[in-house]
Amino acid sequence: GNSVTQMEGPVTLSEEAFLTINCTYTATGYPSLFWYVQYPGEGLQLLLKATKADDKGSNKGFEATYRKETTSFHLEKGSVQVSDSAVYFCALDGGATNKLIFGTGTLLAVQP
Amino acid sequence: DTEVTQTPKHLVMGMTNKKSLKCEQHMGHRAMYWYKQKAKKPPELMFVYSYEKLSINESVPSRFSPECPNSSLLNLHLHALQPEDSALYLCASSQTRTGGIYGYTFGSGTRLTVV
Repeated sequence: GNSVTQMEGPVTLSEEAFLTINCTYTATGYPSLFWYVQYPGEGLQLLLKATKADDKGSNKGFEATYRKETTSFHLEKGSVQVSDSAVYFCALDGGATNKLIFGTGTLLAVQP
Repeated sequence: DTEVTQTPKHLVMGMTNKKSLKCEQHMGHRAMYWYKQKAKKPPELMFVYSYEKLSINESVPSRFSPECPNSSLLNLHLHALQPEDSALYLCASSQTRTGGIYGYTFGSGTRLTVV
């Protein structure tokens, strides 16, 4: 079945550091891939998405490229801010059913 | 309007109480979802409604009863819950059958505490 694996956290960075959160997936067919962010005490917000191989999703300085050859969708940001501190979830939709499958989440803590 | 609105934001209920969670969207989405999220865990799918009909029930106990009265509203009726049901309950919506292309919009959730 479909699944998502993302790196364990927490990830602790200093402000303005470079961020990478790894995400790999297993899926049949051609899934759509997402990154969601959850700030403390809040719901999930869609950060970015990609619907086919080689697509790059981007938003608020975050980027992720859909790599079919490595089945990966790693999240990157060139310079993190304290306000980026949150839990980040990688997710996929296999398309056959309306089911969004999440990774375990990665807590990012950015220190001033 | 690009939001999913959930009420109430917080709910404390006893194990013998009956309560309901409400979710509303006005984006014209025809698929709506209930998720349960425990602390430090990813959301877990509970129910999916597509065109106001229940299409997926992820083997959820009958003390949780979903209802979709129209295309904009989704309710979750709660009865005889257990303390382990305490969690953040998230509602989401998507354009049915194309949720994977346009993504899913989540509400801010109802934080439920069962005492």
